[in-house]
Amino acid sequence: GAGVSQSPSNKVTEKGKDVELRCDPISGHTALYWYRQSLGQGLEFLIYFQGNSAPDKSGLPSDRFSAERTGGSVSTLTIQRTQQEDSAVYLCASSLADTSQETQYFGPGTRLLVL
Amino acid sequence: QKEVEQNSGPLSVPEGAIASLNCTYSDRGSQSFFWYRQYSGKSPELIMFIYSNGDKEDGRFTAQLNKASQYVSLLIRDSQPSDSATYLCAVKTSYDKVIFGPGTSLSVIP
Repeated sequence: GAGVSQSPSNKVTEKGKDVELRCDPISGHTALYWYRQSLGQGLEFLIYFQGNSAPDKSGLPSDRFSAERTGGSVSTLTIQRTQQEDSAVYLCASSLADTSQETQYFGPGTRLLVL
Repeated sequence: QKEVEQNSGPLSVPEGAIASLNCTYSDRGSQSFFWYRQYSGKSPELIMFIYSNGDKEDGRFTAQLNKASQYVSLLIRDSQPSDSATYLCAVKTSYDKVIFGPGTSLSVIP
């Protein structure tokens, strides 16, 4: 079956440009997470969507970062006025959050490089 | 205090030995506990899940949970070079959010 997909797989942009990263979760999964992972580092939580509840935005590092999830499915993470420190792998994960065994299924990630 | 803590490593063990990975968490009401494995350049994948106190075994992997001590561990028996990866502990907290630890890098030496 189809897993979590993300696009683009790689993105190179110039400092100051805006970028949009897309995540297609597994069909039927109610929860969707965005993480950022810098080289050799752990997962940095960014934002969490669960059903129709207000998203948990507590991990967004600045107001240049925003995300939305349309129709409870596809999600877009937008980074405005990109900075070099935004360079990282951006991972999306989805899960069936209403179970105790909330296994997160990760997408392949988008590798963002800001020049 | 960070919500989920792990030793960053790197942890090196010889092939065939037992690798022991540890994780502590701060939210006493946490419900479920997960171990993910992440190979270099790849995304994390789930290898073990546990929610009851005690041990849970799956092949060469054993997860151990002690809720009173707020401690969860992963044992890998007969370690293989293919086990070399970063192991991420994750906790589903009492407020229904999954928090990841920073990960422990494991290297199995042939």
